[in-house]
Amino acid sequence: QSVLTQPPSASGTPGQRVTISCSGSSSNIGSNYVYWYQQLPGTAPKLLIYRNNQRPSGVPDRFSGSKSGTSASLAISGLRSEDEADYYCAAWDDSLSGTVFGGGTKLTVL
Amino acid sequence: EVQLVESGGGLVQPGGSLRLSCAASGFTFSSYWMSWVRQAPGKGLEWVANIKQDGSEKYYVDSVKGRFTISRDNAKNSLYLQMNSLRAEDTAVYYCARERSVALDYWGQGTLVTVSS
Repeated sequence: QSVLTQPPSASGTPGQRVTISCSGSSSNIGSNYVYWYQQLPGTAPKLLIYRNNQRPSGVPDRFSGSKSGTSASLAISGLRSEDEADYYCAAWDDSLSGTVFGGGTKLTVL
Repeated sequence: EVQLVESGGGLVQPGGSLRLSCAASGFTFSSYWMSWVRQAPGKGLEWVANIKQDGSEKYYVDSVKGRFTISRDNAKNSLYLQMNSLRAEDTAVYYCARERSVALDYWGQGTLVTVSS
């Protein structure tokens, strides 16, 4: 049972826009930044979004993040086959004094 | 180029111990918090522990408190995770990651720990 809640799966066709939600509480998303990670099959996770909506250099602007209250979302526009991966949200939790992750969302590009 | 290389994983019996290492290069190791994150087979990510630049602050997920110890040697650019009293549920790939204001911006390739009799 993950502290942050994500849908287990999402899908879209090439060129579409998809969003992945992440729900938390006042002790994590409600009071701290949200981070998103992409894990391609068989590889280590990669930072995709930091501080709610900032992209590290090299991450395409097709990826965007947003946060409102105790929820956050990741949007991927112009979906491509190489976007097929697992996506995880994360945030620091003040009550637990640690980083908490969502359970992950498996994105399938149809 | 930032590189993080984990080692020390393997097969261990329940109740046993293992020490993981993470060799860092390509950045000033002593300037960053560092974390361990694990991923059980077919499961999601779980943050395990992190440590401040000088080792003066450490935080752990509840499930490993009292059993795991995170440490670092800045002179050797190395991060460690001492794991004692291992349980089957500790079976996972363990990643070390560099922290930048909570964001885990670089990850190693991971090392597999299997706890089984």
